[in-house]
Amino acid sequence: SQTIHQWPATLVQPVGSPLSLECTVEGTSNPNLYWYRQAAGRGLQLLFYSVGIGQISSEVPQNLSASRPQDRQFILSSKKLLLSDSGFYLCAWTRGWETEAFFGQGTRLTVV
Amino acid sequence: KQEVTQIPAALSVPEGENLVLNCSFTDSAIYNLQWFRQDPGKGLTSLLLIQSSQREQTSGRLNASLDKSSGRSTLYIAASQPGDSATYLCAASRLYSGAGSYQLTFGKGTKLSVIP
Repeated sequence: SQTIHQWPATLVQPVGSPLSLECTVEGTSNPNLYWYRQAAGRGLQLLFYSVGIGQISSEVPQNLSASRPQDRQFILSSKKLLLSDSGFYLCAWTRGWETEAFFGQGTRLTVV
Repeated sequence: KQEVTQIPAALSVPEGENLVLNCSFTDSAIYNLQWFRQDPGKGLTSLLLIQSSQREQTSGRLNASLDKSSGRSTLYIAASQPGDSATYLCAASRLYSGAGSYQLTFGKGTKLSVIP
């Protein structure tokens, strides 16, 4: 069976510090991978998606970047965090464009 | 641009009651519609996926329907239990060929409380 792992579960970082959130998928190959952010009182917002190694598409201009160094690894990064980067970050995968989406357990990021 | 709306934002029902959660979307050109459950501070758990060619899907006490022409989906929960308490999210998917991007657009969810 397929599983998706995200870490860390919670993170408190000062403004201006770097960020690295990691997501890995097991039990499948060549998944489509996604990063979402869920802010309080708002719906989930798609940040990045990837259809293959080194292929990253950004949906929203922001202070964040994503990378996919391996087939089943997706990393969300920032060089300098802003207060507005606080939120709940979720990684997800699908087997294709039209199939069921599966989510990780999320990372609660608080920028102070 | 696709917009997904879920009404009500919150719902409280006594245990054992049957209930319906509503989801509406503005663009009927969807690939599929998916219902998720989210417990506080947790990720999303997929409940049901309805392909655009389907009208409903069932899993246990859950039944989801899809009416593309009217831009609506409903999630029916039979014989509700306290363990069903969570936020329920619906999401409509579409591939935007012009931008070459895939978008799963979420509603803001309905927070369900089942009272013992």
